[in-house]
Amino acid sequence: GNSVTQMEGPVTLSEEAFLTINCTYTATGYPSLFWYVQYPGEGLQLLLKATKADDKGSNKGFEATYRKETTSFHLEKGSVQVSDSAVYFCALSDSTGNQFYFGTGTSLTVIP
Amino acid sequence: DTAVSQTPKYLVTQMGNDKSIKCEQNLGHDTMYWYKQDSKKFLKIMFSYNNKELIINETVPNRFSPKSPDKAHLNLHINSLELGDSAVYFCASSPGTGMGGDFGSGTRLTVV
Repeated sequence: GNSVTQMEGPVTLSEEAFLTINCTYTATGYPSLFWYVQYPGEGLQLLLKATKADDKGSNKGFEATYRKETTSFHLEKGSVQVSDSAVYFCALSDSTGNQFYFGTGTSLTVIP
Repeated sequence: DTAVSQTPKYLVTQMGNDKSIKCEQNLGHDTMYWYKQDSKKFLKIMFSYNNKELIINETVPNRFSPKSPDKAHLNLHINSLELGDSAVYFCASSPGTGMGGDFGSGTRLTVV
């Protein structure tokens, strides 16, 4: 079946530190991969996506590369800001598009 | 202007009551979803509709009944509410495979 595993949180970083949140997946067929962000008290926002192997999704300084050989989609940012504090969810959409499978979420807190 | 809007944002009700949450999307998407986010932030799909047809119906108590009067609306009706139904419910829509989903801001349901 399809599933997503992402690193446990919470993660606490100082401003301008480098961020990596690991995400690996199990899927049949050719899934699309996503990172969503949930700011405190708000809904989910699509942060970036990749639809095929070796694609790199990027947005707001965040990047993730679809690695089929390692079934991974790790989220990275070179220099985090306090405003990046949120919960980050890795997700996949199977080839039918009928469902998104979410990881458990990783809470990030950036301190000044 | 809101792409996926759900109402109400907050809902506090007593056990045993029946309540509805409404969802509308103005994006022209074919697929709509309901997700439940528990207290640990875990997101689990409940239902998925494509062009008003039920596609996915996960193991959800039959007290939960989705209704899609047209492609732009997917409402969630809950009968005989229980304490364990307390959660944040997210509506989402998607244009199709690999396109990502647009999520509503969530409805925080509290059953007392």
